[in-house]
Amino acid sequence: GENVEQHPSTLSVQEGDSAVIKCTYSDSASNYFPWYKQELGKRPQLIIDIRSNVGEKKDQRIAVTLNKTAKHFSLHITETQPEDSAVYFCAATHQDGNKLVFGAGTILRVKS
Amino acid sequence: GAGVSQTPSNKVTEKGKYVELRCDPISGHTALYWYRQSLGQGPEFLIYFQGTGAADDSGLPNDRFFAVRPEGSVSTLKIQRTERGDSAVYLCASSFGQGSTGELFFGEGSRLTVL
Repeated sequence: GENVEQHPSTLSVQEGDSAVIKCTYSDSASNYFPWYKQELGKRPQLIIDIRSNVGEKKDQRIAVTLNKTAKHFSLHITETQPEDSAVYFCAATHQDGNKLVFGAGTILRVKS
Repeated sequence: GAGVSQTPSNKVTEKGKYVELRCDPISGHTALYWYRQSLGQGPEFLIYFQGTGAADDSGLPNDRFFAVRPEGSVSTLKIQRTERGDSAVYLCASSFGQGSTGELFFGEGSRLTVL
């Protein structure tokens, strides 16, 4: 089955700096890669996703890149703000799959 | 409702007891998922419903865990003979359409503590 590894487990950045979180996956059939943000005590919420037919997707300050050959994908947050502080989870699945497999999460702290 | 609703938000029980956790998905969402999240970990898949049927229950850890969705809307996760290792936050999510290649809308979770 699919296995998703995520790093770093914690990341501290200064407000205004960029943050990058990386994930690798094991199943070459996976073709859908979402990122979820979970604030303390809150529910996970989708912030961006990418499908395997594109290599990069942007939405304002966040972007995701995908390297299918290497089986890894990354989340990039630019101009970080204190409200970006949260736990970020990557996940992977394939079109015929019924379950998202999540990484262990990255705690992002943005220091002001 | 406006979002996925889960009850209870917190449940403390003793080892060996029976527990039921309820999920009310977003109206019109045919797909419903149960995940379990332990401290410091990502959500771990338990079971997926498409309509009334359990399309994939491969994540249920053992036969003490069971889930139903009799009318294709509300779902109940049932845990028999609870063990301390069952302590976690149980998350429910729903989505429109089949499969998980679309946005999952999560509830706030039910925090289960087994003493």
